[in-house]
Amino acid sequence: SAVISQKPSRDICQRGTSLTIQCQVDSQVTMMFWYRQQPGQSLTLIATANQGSEATYESGFVIDKFPISRPNLTFSTLTVSNMSPEDSSIYLCSVETPKGGYNEQFFGPGTRLTVL
Amino acid sequence: AQSVSQHNHHVILSEAASLELGCNYSYGGTVNLFWYVQYPGQHLQLLLKYFSGDPLVKGIKGFEAEFIKSKFSFNLRKPSVQWSDTAEYFCAVNQVSGTYKYIFGTGTRLKVLA
Repeated sequence: SAVISQKPSRDICQRGTSLTIQCQVDSQVTMMFWYRQQPGQSLTLIATANQGSEATYESGFVIDKFPISRPNLTFSTLTVSNMSPEDSSIYLCSVETPKGGYNEQFFGPGTRLTVL
Repeated sequence: AQSVSQHNHHVILSEAASLELGCNYSYGGTVNLFWYVQYPGQHLQLLLKYFSGDPLVKGIKGFEAEFIKSKFSFNLRKPSVQWSDTAEYFCAVNQVSGTYKYIFGTGTRLKVLA
C-alpha cells in the first residue's frame, strides 16, 4: 500500500489569494491524481500528474487556475489560484500503485479549503 | 459521457439490519468497479473491487458486491450491519482501456443506529 500525506490539512483563505497544497507519498509512483470534493458532492478528477510531463486536466479545469507540479516520483503540488468562495472544497491527492497484477488507488487525507 | 449513479443518498438502519446500496454506471466497454468507504474523519479506503472473473466479490468487514453486466450495476451488500459501519460509501468505475480516470458516484451516507 501507499501512505500519502497532505499539507495543509485545512486552511481558511481570503478571496483572490492562492494556496498551494502539497502531496507526499512514501514510495515512488508514476500516476498521481488530484481530486476535488465539493460539499455534498462526489469526487471530481481535476488532473492527472505524471512525473516529467505536463499534467493532464479534465474538462472544466485549466492550468491557470490549478497549476500542478510533479518534480519527482514521490511529490506533487496543486495550487488553487485567485480563489473565490466557489473553490471551497476538499482537495484530495491520490496515487495508483501496482498490486498483484492490477492497479490500486490510494487516497490522501485531503485538504479542507474554505474561501471567505 | 461516463457516469456513476448511486440512488440512495442517505440511509439509516438499525444494527443487524441488512444493507444494499445501489450503483449503476453508464459505459458500454469493459470496466473495473470499486466501492470505497470513508469513515468519519478518515481517508477514503478501498472496500472491494471487481476486475474480472466471479461477479460476486467479497471485501473487507463482511461486505460483498455483485456485478451484473446486463444491468450495468454493482450493488453493495452486507447481511447484518454494525454501528461501526456508519460511513460514506462511494462507488467508482474505471475504464479498462483508455485513460486511468476514475468516475465516482455521489456517495451514500449510511448511519447505523445502535
